[in-house]
Amino acid sequence: KNEVEQSPQNLTAQEGEFITINCSYSVGISALHWLQQHPGGGIVSLFMLSSGKKKHGRLIATINIQEKHSSLHITASHPRDSAVYICAVDNTDKLIFGTGTRLQVFP
Amino acid sequence: DAGITQSPRHKVTETGTPVTLRCHQTENHRYMYWYRQDPGHGLRLIHYSYGVKDTDKGEVSDGYSVSRSKTEDFLLTLESATSSQTSVYFCAIRASSGTYNEQFFGPGTRLTVL
Repeated sequence: KNEVEQSPQNLTAQEGEFITINCSYSVGISALHWLQQHPGGGIVSLFMLSSGKKKHGRLIATINIQEKHSSLHITASHPRDSAVYICAVDNTDKLIFGTGTRLQVFP
Repeated sequence: DAGITQSPRHKVTETGTPVTLRCHQTENHRYMYWYRQDPGHGLRLIHYSYGVKDTDKGEVSDGYSVSRSKTEDFLLTLESATSSQTSVYFCAIRASSGTYNEQFFGPGTRLTVL
């Protein structure tokens, strides 16, 4: 069993829909990261959080430390949100990554 | 992009040849990482460095070696490339500020081993 599990693996949505991507982990962490990777592109950090909730534009990330679970929400999704979203947990000096969620948003 | 560059960006090589990938940073971060990214596996740590000449293995280190002779450069070497090492390789640095640590990634190197 992977130490970081993401769901769903693939997600399609119509423009304007509310999107939720989930991440569960089984190890102790100091922080959790959400990353974004566009097709053929580099990896960009969206959020780093160790408790509660963070918001940036249409993106919201939450974490429940007791339940070892985090969610990434996208409100009013847009085709430019189409990308792979990766959850990673900070474990000592290293990150442990989920396998990613591929999101496609259609007009 | 935290001043991270990788070279080359693309490389095609033949089985059995040595290959070196370079990661360069401009901001004097102590920690540097090499990952490979493959479909179905996500990002996996190959090696990392916590200072000049200080390195450690990650989960997929077999067939790879690294060197860090100065803060700004972290080299990844495939001594004898195999087809299973065809992948996209990402370098990353760890930026620490107070109580948090954030990783920034380089643009990636696409390596094909024929």
